[in-house]
Amino acid sequence: DAGVIQSPRHEVTEMGQEVTLRCKPISGHDYLFWYRQTMMRGLELLIYFNNNVPIDDSGMPEDRFSAKMPNASFSTLKIQPSEPRDSAVYFCASSPTRYNEQFFGPGTRLTVL
Amino acid sequence: AQSVAQPEDQVNVAEGNPLTVKCTYSVSGNPYLFWYVQYPNRGLQFLLKYITGDNLVKGSYGFEAEFNKSQTSFHLKKPSALVSDSALYFCAVRETSGNTPLVFGKGTRLSVIA
Repeated sequence: DAGVIQSPRHEVTEMGQEVTLRCKPISGHDYLFWYRQTMMRGLELLIYFNNNVPIDDSGMPEDRFSAKMPNASFSTLKIQPSEPRDSAVYFCASSPTRYNEQFFGPGTRLTVL
Repeated sequence: AQSVAQPEDQVNVAEGNPLTVKCTYSVSGNPYLFWYVQYPNRGLQFLLKYITGDNLVKGSYGFEAEFNKSQTSFHLKKPSALVSDSALYFCAVRETSGNTPLVFGKGTRLSVIA
């Protein structure tokens, strides 16, 4: 298995632009998680899905952030409009059940100028 | 509510010496406990977990951790540190009941000095 796949690996954009981050979880995993990592705040859970349904989005910082999971093999995290304070590394992770460890993707490093 | 604390931001150890990275947790019931490692510019990698059973858990790369219920701790240990162990280590916890996700600690940076 290729593991969790994220794209792009790096994204540089200007303030006000729309940014879309993509994730392909490991096949057969029912849970998908989006995290954000910064030096100041550490690792933050943004939202997670179970069987493509959003379960908890309380970590989404504001309405500029949205996430979708149209099918079991694809999820997106969108920021519109982006702001410099959104600059961070965004990780996607998946797990087969809620009892198992999570498998993390390589992350997308987002820089908003 | 569940929480996890990693009291040390940084741990320095000489190569060949034993290492310990500390973790304490708080849950209302029984915990599932995990350790992850993050190398520079990489995602988190799973090291080991405690679900039930033996309090001493062995994981990848020679790491182990001991679950101590009375002290609500799950410290990560290795008998002999390698320079290549230098990385950021995260402890995580979740309750066995309910649908709560993993809660991660803030991370401890381990530096192994040759």
